Amino acid sequence: DTGVSQNPRHKITKRGQNVTFRCDPISEHNRLYWYRQTLGQGPEFLTYFQNEAQLEKSRLLSDRFSAERPKGSFSTLEIQRTEQGDSAMYLCASSSRTGALNEQFFGPGTRLTVL
Amino acid sequence: GNSVTQMEGPVTLSEEAFLTINCTYTATGYPSLFWYVQYPGEGLQLLLKATKADDKGSNKGFEATYRKETTSFHLEKGSVQVSDSAVYFCALMINNFGNEKLTFGTGTRLTIIP
Repeated sequence: DTGVSQNPRHKITKRGQNVTFRCDPISEHNRLYWYRQTLGQGPEFLTYFQNEAQLEKSRLLSDRFSAERPKGSFSTLEIQRTEQGDSAMYLCASSSRTGALNEQFFGPGTRLTVL
Repeated sequence: GNSVTQMEGPVTLSEEAFLTINCTYTATGYPSLFWYVQYPGEGLQLLLKATKADDKGSNKGFEATYRKETTSFHLEKGSVQVSDSAVYFCALMINNFGNEKLTFGTGTRLTIIP
């Protein structure tokens, strides 16, 4: 298994455009998380999926953001009408429910720059 | 709410120096504690963890002890190497009905000079 993958690795867009990122978790991991990391800060939780169900969304996730995980495998994060404040690294992590504490494995991230 | 406060960086040390990166936390409930490391150009990797008070997590020569009385989880290494240069994040997690979301500190950039 090659770990968590994210595409694209970099995205540059103009303000007002829509963007979509993809995350492929480690196969058979049923839990998937999205985080956002701005420059000089630690990652901040955005949303959580268990299988295909989106069970929690952070207040950081405005109504311009939507995430899906159809069939409980890969996930997409879409940002509509991007703003310059959306510029950040978007991280995906996955874990499996195997015990009391489940390590999250992180992907390399998608760096978004909004001009 | 939950939060993590880390020592401000950047930190620059000479090879073989002793390292301490301070981390304190505030949590509603009983958290598990983690240190993650981000090497240049790579994703976050779990370095070590501790799940209950007085537990010591260790990996690659790094150690951290879960101190409930001081709400701290300081990272230490006795002799750092150039390859330890990275950004280090302290984090906590409280399992909320299966949601194990992590709350991170701001990160500490460590540079080791030969």
